[in-house]
Amino acid sequence: QQQVKQSPQSLIVQKGGISIINCAYENTAFDYFPWYQQFPGKGPALLIAIRPDVSEKKEGRFTISFNKSAKQFSLHIMDSQPGDSATYFCAPSRGSARQLTFGSGTQLTVLP
Amino acid sequence: DGGITQSPKYLFRKEGQNVTLSCEQNLNHDAMYWYRQDPGQGLRLIYYSQIVNDFQKGDIAEGYSVSREKKESFPLTVTSAQKNPTAFYLCASSTSQNYNEQFFGPGTRLTVL
Repeated sequence: QQQVKQSPQSLIVQKGGISIINCAYENTAFDYFPWYQQFPGKGPALLIAIRPDVSEKKEGRFTISFNKSAKQFSLHIMDSQPGDSATYFCAPSRGSARQLTFGSGTQLTVLP
Repeated sequence: DGGITQSPKYLFRKEGQNVTLSCEQNLNHDAMYWYRQDPGQGLRLIYYSQIVNDFQKGDIAEGYSVSREKKESFPLTVTSAQKNPTAFYLCASSTSQNYNEQFFGPGTRLTVL
């Protein structure tokens, strides 16, 4: 079953532009909504995460927007830079299960 | 310098051979995880361990085995029963206070010829 649907599969943005990646989920028991960033040949690293009691969280150029009723959350990268070029994964989880459910990933390319 | 090490980075094996992937962490984390990543796909959980001498199957455990004899180490054996073993294997760890925040190693790319 596909519990987590991530879109788009790939994204090309000009330097300075806004990158937006979306994640839709089915399991209403999820209570932690992170985004991971992965560079080629490396392991993913936690970028930013949100709990369902808030609708938005901002850390520098990265913002998570969370819509509980629509069962969606998104990652916004403002002023995108070539160094942001990577694959991004949403990975919602429910703490008691101690498991992250990864989306299929979005390959972001930021053109100089 | 704390972190997770996986060795080797690249591994080649002949079909029908078992192979063991190493994962060591010096973060003093209680929980450790093994994921498999295939091209264009997300990570899928193979096994996880919350405490020494205990581990649970993840979503795709068939054809794999693990052990957790020490807190720092969580080796993964890919057996000959695994039908499509060629993949990128990632080890991760987390504290018992926050299982959600997982720290990943650099991965091992296994190619079965």
